Amino acid sequence: EPEVTQTPSHQVTQMGQEVILRCVPISNHLYFYWYRQILGQKVEFLVSFYNNEISEKSEIFDDQFSVERPDGSNFTLKIRSTKLEDSAMYFCASSDGGSRTDTQYFGPGTRLTVL
Amino acid sequence: AQKITQTQPGMFVQEKEAVTLDCTYDTSDQSYGLFWYKQPSSGEMIFLIYQGSYDEQNATEGRYSLNFQKARKSANLVISASQLGDSAMYFCSMRERGNAGNMLTFGGGTRLMVKP
Repeated sequence: EPEVTQTPSHQVTQMGQEVILRCVPISNHLYFYWYRQILGQKVEFLVSFYNNEISEKSEIFDDQFSVERPDGSNFTLKIRSTKLEDSAMYFCASSDGGSRTDTQYFGPGTRLTVL
Repeated sequence: AQKITQTQPGMFVQEKEAVTLDCTYDTSDQSYGLFWYKQPSSGEMIFLIYQGSYDEQNATEGRYSLNFQKARKSANLVISASQLGDSAMYFCSMRERGNAGNMLTFGGGTRLMVKP
């Protein structure tokens, strides 16, 4: 069964450093998303991406964040200058955009720790 | 105002018994979708079940069913015959506007613990 994959599973970085989180969505899906979950809290939407551009973003997704689909399979989230409060689990998700449910399938997550 | 409310932070259930996890939602949209996800201790988010706002029947997927009461804006998850592997966090979420590609809004989750 096709699945969303994410790398790395855990990233530790120093405050102020840039990090890139990588995702490979399900191959025939058209919509891609990033969410984050701070430890013990609810899952929060960051951004959605369709047809090579951002379709929606939340207030969290400020100028420090960017997304890119550099090739036909990868989808990346870049945090330019990490802050302590960026420590969280980051989930990538994808959906096909054509089915009745348009269910979003999530990857296993990248746990980002900012020191 | 919270769009998704899960009022049970934690629940216990005896193995093999049924359990209901509550979810209420708030939207002015006529077309929306409701999703439940399971998050085991390993951290991944696993899709369980979907209910569309126009669906006349309650959704079922194996041991999972959704008790959808549209007028009350509730979408409770029912797990029948609980198993030890059902111990996890459960999140209710909603996609508004009915369009493909729209964001999900999540509730705070319910931690379910299944007792042997």
